[in-house]
Amino acid sequence: EAGVVQSPRYKIIEKKQPVAFWCNPISGHNTLYWYRQNLGQGPELLIRYENEEAVDDSQLPKDRFSAERLKGVDSTLKIQPAELGDSAVYLCASSLIQTEQYFGPGTRLTVT
Amino acid sequence: GNSVTQMEGPVTLSEEAFLTINCTYTATGYPSLFWYVQYPGEGLQLLLKATKADDKGSNKGFEATYRKETTSFHLEKGSVQVSDSAVYFCALSYSANDMRFGAGTRLTVKP
Repeated sequence: EAGVVQSPRYKIIEKKQPVAFWCNPISGHNTLYWYRQNLGQGPELLIRYENEEAVDDSQLPKDRFSAERLKGVDSTLKIQPAELGDSAVYLCASSLIQTEQYFGPGTRLTVT
Repeated sequence: GNSVTQMEGPVTLSEEAFLTINCTYTATGYPSLFWYVQYPGEGLQLLLKATKADDKGSNKGFEATYRKETTSFHLEKGSVQVSDSAVYFCALSYSANDMRFGAGTRLTVKP
């Protein structure tokens, strides 16, 4: 069974540019999470979806970050415009409701 | 608020050495406790978990016991291998949807 797929794996952009990350969760998993992992830190939740609905986006910086999960499957996380402080690894995870989260390999973003 | 504190790394051990990575937590009530492992270039994987006080989680030779009296969940392994080199994260949650992670401890095992 395929795991959580993320792309791209690496992205380098200049500040003020837009960037988007894509996540394909494990088939059948209705809950999807986006985390940000700063260097030397643990992951921090940005947003959680149950099916198409964003049920927890309290930590998402809504002035520049947006996310969508069309049809309750794939999800896209966007940053526009990117700032230097956005350099981090962006992790996607999925799960069935109230069960173990399965993580993708992450997208490493570098903003110069 | 709810949080997890784990020992700072990096930790460097020789093969077959005994491993302890300390983890303490701050929380109200009785959260579930977890250890995740992140191998180079991969996502986090659940290593073990414990859902109530005095529970012991174990997997792949790793163990951790949920100690309510000391609010701890220390990770141990009796004999580490080179393949155990990774970053280890302690985490807590009240539901699988709300996970709080520690900063991670990098372990390097030398042959």
